[in-house]
Amino acid sequence: AQSVTQLDSQVPVFEEAPVELRCNYSSSVSVYLFWYVQYPNQGLQLLLKYLSGSTLVKGINGFEAEFNKSQTSFHLRKPSVHISDTAEYFCAVRSGGYNKLIFGAGTRLAVHP
Amino acid sequence: GAVVSQHPSWVICKSGTSVKIECRSLDFQATTMFWYRQFPKQSLMLMATSNEGSKATYEQGVEKDKFLINHASLTLSTLTVTSAHPEDSSFYICSASNRDSGMFFGPGTRLTVL
Repeated sequence: AQSVTQLDSQVPVFEEAPVELRCNYSSSVSVYLFWYVQYPNQGLQLLLKYLSGSTLVKGINGFEAEFNKSQTSFHLRKPSVHISDTAEYFCAVRSGGYNKLIFGAGTRLAVHP
Repeated sequence: GAVVSQHPSWVICKSGTSVKIECRSLDFQATTMFWYRQFPKQSLMLMATSNEGSKATYEQGVEKDKFLINHASLTLSTLTVTSAHPEDSSFYICSASNRDSGMFFGPGTRLTVL
């Protein structure tokens, strides 16, 4: 079965500093990987996705992620964060039937002034 | 991107009553809809997958008689929590998808059972 591990439950960081949110997956077949952001009391918004092609994926709000097959990782990065980036971030892998997603436990990014 | 709405956004009910939550895809036809629940400070757990016109497929451990899912049209799916109890209090999120448009999430419905 496919699974997703987000290694950090919380990541505190100062404004304008770089950040990396880690995600590892387990799968024996081709994978499709996603990062979503969730603001308080809201649904999920897609940040970026990897389906095929270039391993470096650029998303919205200045985020990017790199698919690393050998390390089974899909870490999310941003070179300079803003206060408004404070939110919960979820890594997900597509599993089984079309568009069925398995989510990681989430990482709370807290950006401090 | 496509828009998915949920109604209501927040509902409070008494223990033992039933609550219906609607999920609508506003600008595309969703052949498949998914229902998730999310407890505070936790991840989303898939409850069931619903294909239009057919019975929903429930994940292991989800009671299909308690969480009734109907997907009668390509733009509407409903989740009914029957005989709700305080432990059913949670944030319920739907997502809607089709092969051409991809998948989009609704804003969620917060259910509080007193």
